[in-house]
Amino acid sequence: AQKITQTQPGMFVQEKEAVTLDCTYDTSDPSYGLFWYKQPSSGEMIFLIYQGSYDQQNATEGRYSLNFQKARKSANLVISASQLGDSAMYFCAMRSGNTPLVFGKGTRLSVIA
Amino acid sequence: DTGVSQDPRHKITKRGQNVTFRCDPISEHNRLYWYRQTLGQGPEFLTYFQNEAQLEKSRLLSDRFSAERPKGSFSTLEIQRTEQGDSAMYLCASSAGGTRTDTQYFGPGTRLTVL
Repeated sequence: AQKITQTQPGMFVQEKEAVTLDCTYDTSDPSYGLFWYKQPSSGEMIFLIYQGSYDQQNATEGRYSLNFQKARKSANLVISASQLGDSAMYFCAMRSGNTPLVFGKGTRLSVIA
Repeated sequence: DTGVSQDPRHKITKRGQNVTFRCDPISEHNRLYWYRQTLGQGPEFLTYFQNEAQLEKSRLLSDRFSAERPKGSFSTLEIQRTEQGDSAMYLCASSAGGTRTDTQYFGPGTRLTVL
């Protein structure tokens, strides 16, 4: 069975600083994809970044990067230069093959001015 | 290119009533997914369609739940005889399929409150 664990219920970061949100995963499938989504208070899930299990390099999308450590089964999201608008819930998710996305419980990020 | 839309955004109903939600995916996306999200949790998969075919259903989808995608475009999710435990955010997502990432894009959700 697939499982996503996000151990940080809440995180605080100062504006303009970088922050790392933790995600560990468990799967027996050698081929899988890892996703991060942002959910503001409005409720919509916004796709941020994707990492494939066979990708050699860590994924980056603007201020978002994914610290992928396959041996440790971790896929941490790094947000650089935090902005007030980054305050939201962040969810790590995984899919292998044609299985549906499996989400973690999320981390609430609060950016402080 | 419009995103995924859902209607209504909010629904308040009394226990025992039936409710129906609609989801319009991104045009040309052939896969459509329904998820349920309760407070403090991540979304949980309910069901998914490839075009008009319902290919997978979660055990969370009790007999009171039914989903359709009659023409392979929009989808409806109906809950019959609602219970207070059905109160949640119902999220719809769509994806193009056939790509390496097959990223799912979500709509704004329908928040259901059962009194």
